[in-house]
Amino acid sequence: SYVLTQPPSVSVAPGQTASISCGGNNIGSKSVNWYQQKPGQAPVLVVYDDSDRPSGIPERFSGSNSGNTATLTINSVEAGDEADYYCQVWDSGSDHVVFGGGTKLTVL
Amino acid sequence: QVQLVESGGGVVPPGRSLRLSCAASGFSFSPYGMHWVRQAPGKGLEWVAVIWYDGSDEYYADSVKGRFTISRDNSKSTLYLQMNSLRAADTAVYYCARAVYNNGWYPDYWGQGTLVTVSS
Repeated sequence: SYVLTQPPSVSVAPGQTASISCGGNNIGSKSVNWYQQKPGQAPVLVVYDDSDRPSGIPERFSGSNSGNTATLTINSVEAGDEADYYCQVWDSGSDHVVFGGGTKLTVL
Repeated sequence: QVQLVESGGGVVPPGRSLRLSCAASGFSFSPYGMHWVRQAPGKGLEWVAVIWYDGSDEYYADSVKGRFTISRDNSKSTLYLQMNSLRAADTAVYYCARAVYNNGWYPDYWGQGTLVTVSS
């Protein structure tokens, strides 16, 4: 089965840039989606199809995907961005949704 | 706006059954696939199952295959998850999510979840 690997945690100071990686075998050939989940809340889609943003998501959130790594980038990080972030792909070989293990973003 | 409201969670002994429901509103339900995703306490997201827009096909995570059944009633804009032979490891918040197709079915809008606790 397909596996996505994320770092457990990332820390960044306010106003700086946070980068969260998502590793997978030839992930560049898949469409990657990213979700933000704050404590006690449901996940929210922040990036879809590698780099597109749903309406209402700030331009500070962006994504890229190439080779074996996809990346979520958050520019000018704010305290309100502190949350868990999950990458996700569709594994066409098994018709399964696959999530990464999640990354806790801490704003120092 | 898109609204998904789960219900049916609760405390159930191991080996028993439970049926979850997800009522959809704010969008046309029938053209969309639907997912169930769960999250054990303090853990990450785990995909459970997906059903095609017309109910013609469904897929399950290996951890629930043969015990859980996803279904839908498009006339009622409602998604279901029948959970049988429940185990302690099934304890989690269960979310329903709308499925959008782009190189695969991915969740876009999510409900707030319903908690299932399997315990004697």
